[in-house]
Amino acid sequence: GQNIDQPTEMTATEGAIVQINCTYQTSGFNGLFWYQQHAGEAPTFLSYNVLDGLEEKGRFSSFLSRSKGYSYLLLKELQMKDSASYLCAVRGHHASGGSYIPTFGRGTSLIVHP
Amino acid sequence: EPEVTQTPSHQVTQMGQEVILRCVPISNHLYFYWYRQILGQKVEFLVSFYNNEISEKSEIFDDQFSVERPDGSNFTLKIRSTKLEDSAMYFCASSRSSGLADTQYFGPGTRLTVL
Repeated sequence: GQNIDQPTEMTATEGAIVQINCTYQTSGFNGLFWYQQHAGEAPTFLSYNVLDGLEEKGRFSSFLSRSKGYSYLLLKELQMKDSASYLCAVRGHHASGGSYIPTFGRGTSLIVHP
Repeated sequence: EPEVTQTPSHQVTQMGQEVILRCVPISNHLYFYWYRQILGQKVEFLVSFYNNEISEKSEIFDDQFSVERPDGSNFTLKIRSTKLEDSAMYFCASSRSSGLADTQYFGPGTRLTVL
């Protein structure tokens, strides 16, 4: 089975940097995603990592260590509009078959205050 | 900017009834997905679809569920006999290719309420 852990809630100050961690245990691994979800809205894709290392995309970066089952999402120069839930999702083997399906964590609610 | 659309935005149905949730993916996208999110809980993958076939499906996607691309634009999710626990927000998504790094664009969702 799959298990994804992320902190439930984090707070940070506008202009600061915040790191949201995600640890996972999966049977098989075929990539890790980060999504942003504002309350009452659909998720928005942020990043995908399948190899170890850091992927940078503007103010957002995502890091993966497969050997440690660990990822983080780094948000720089925080803005008020970054207040949202950040979802970590890992593609692992389906329980009853060989295909890979994504399993989502419960999300980390980030509150950015002035 | 092209976007994924879903109808209806809110569907209320009685337990045991069939519902069809509709999605119009972005026009040049080839890969389609359904997810659901029960209120206050995590997003759950249901199914992915490519070339008129299911590519992957989760344990949630049992015989009560089916997907179809009835024409060149629509992608539907059917729940044959709804249960109370099917109440959730259902999101459709599409991507241009199968490259996993390729962005999946989500629709705004259909809120399904089963009474």
